[in-house]
Amino acid sequence: DARVTQTPRHKVTEMGQEVTMRCQPILGHNTVFWYRQTMMQGLELLAYFRNRAPLDDSGMPKDRFSAEMPDATLATLKIQPSEPRDSAVYFCASAWGQGRETQYFGPGTRLLVL
Amino acid sequence: KNQVEQSPQSLIILEGKNCTLQCNYTVSPFSNLRWYKQDTGRGPVSLTIMTFSENTKSNGRYTATLDADTKQSSLHITASQLSDSASYICVVSASATGTASKLTFGTGTRLQVTL
Repeated sequence: DARVTQTPRHKVTEMGQEVTMRCQPILGHNTVFWYRQTMMQGLELLAYFRNRAPLDDSGMPKDRFSAEMPDATLATLKIQPSEPRDSAVYFCASAWGQGRETQYFGPGTRLLVL
Repeated sequence: KNQVEQSPQSLIILEGKNCTLQCNYTVSPFSNLRWYKQDTGRGPVSLTIMTFSENTKSNGRYTATLDADTKQSSLHITASQLSDSASYICVVSASATGTASKLTFGTGTRLQVTL
């Protein structure tokens, strides 16, 4: 049963600390998305990659967030330095195709920045 | 400004009953509309994806409709079950090429099915 996996599932950290979230897309999928979800804003697309190349990261605060895909089986989202307003659930999703394909979401990383 | 509005914000129905969730959008140019189901504490799961030319699409007891002229979509759930209790999120893509970067998200409808 192929799934998107994310680690850690929960993270509590102090303001100013670096946070790294990891995602393993479904094997064979060529597109990876990072989303953030909060009660106030709902779901927001932060960035996405196709064939490991970043296609759009306009939803991401550039000064503190960075997203990479070191290889086809790993995507990372890093926040440095973290702030309380970054507290949210961060979802990774993967898909195969060119844009209209079904996205499969991971279970999310619940981040709390104190 | 691209917007997606969903109604109602929340809904409680008895098990076995039908219900309809609404999604109105002002997104241009329209590419596709997706409905997701999100259980508490989990990631969203795709229910349907509809393009401009599709009026209706079903996935089991879920049926989505799309009226591109009025820019409205609905998600109809038939013979509801307790497991249908979740948030349902409408997402519209504004990209002419269908790329993900132009997604606009609704805030969701919270459905609770009770005995």
